[in-house]
Amino acid sequence: DIVMTQSPDTLAVSLGERATINCKSSQSVLYSSNNKNYLAWYQQRPGQPPKLLFYWASTRESGVPDRFSGSGSGTDFTLTISSVQAEDVAVYYCQQYYSTRTFGQGTKVEIK
Amino acid sequence: EVQLVESGGGLVPPGGSLRLSCAASGFTFTTYWMHWVRQVPGKGLVWVSRLNGDGSATRYADSVKGRFTISRDNAKNTLYLQMNSLRAEDTAVYYCAREGGDQALDFWGQGTLVTVSS
Repeated sequence: DIVMTQSPDTLAVSLGERATINCKSSQSVLYSSNNKNYLAWYQQRPGQPPKLLFYWASTRESGVPDRFSGSGSGTDFTLTISSVQAEDVAVYYCQQYYSTRTFGQGTKVEIK
Repeated sequence: EVQLVESGGGLVPPGGSLRLSCAASGFTFTTYWMHWVRQVPGKGLVWVSRLNGDGSATRYADSVKGRFTISRDNAKNTLYLQMNSLRAEDTAVYYCAREGGDQALDFWGQGTLVTVSS
């Protein structure tokens, strides 16, 4: 199984500051035949189900604010919130779908 | 509007069985792969199982293989998860989720809590 490891586990940022979450896969999730990274990002606010933010590592889902961005390829990926808002308090998960599905352990974003 | 509504959770003793349901609406159910994902309260997400649109292709996490069965009734727009030989470690909120055309999970239900305890 592909293991997904996120860092940090918890991230405390001030309102308006940048937040960066890292996700590393134990093997590449880049499919060479279509040059797509089989990597998604989800946001889970307290008491809510997960919400899809990005697929193919960097394609923003409809309705997701543009302060969120996804990047990376192969085994190393990043989710960035350019200016954290109060409503961004949540746990963020990366997930690979290259081989079945596995999630990272989650990164909790809180306000400092 | 896409909606997924899970039901069937509850308290069950170790070794018992439970069937979860996920009622889908707002989209053409038969054309989408569907998944179950679980989450121990306060912990992370764990993928459980998936099923293709006509119900002919299934995949399971190793932790549930041989004990859980995913199925669907496209006439009723409903996804199921039959859980047998339940263990304490199966205690979790179970979410159903739709796999979008890009293969990510684009819609999720609110979840149903399964508690395995004597």
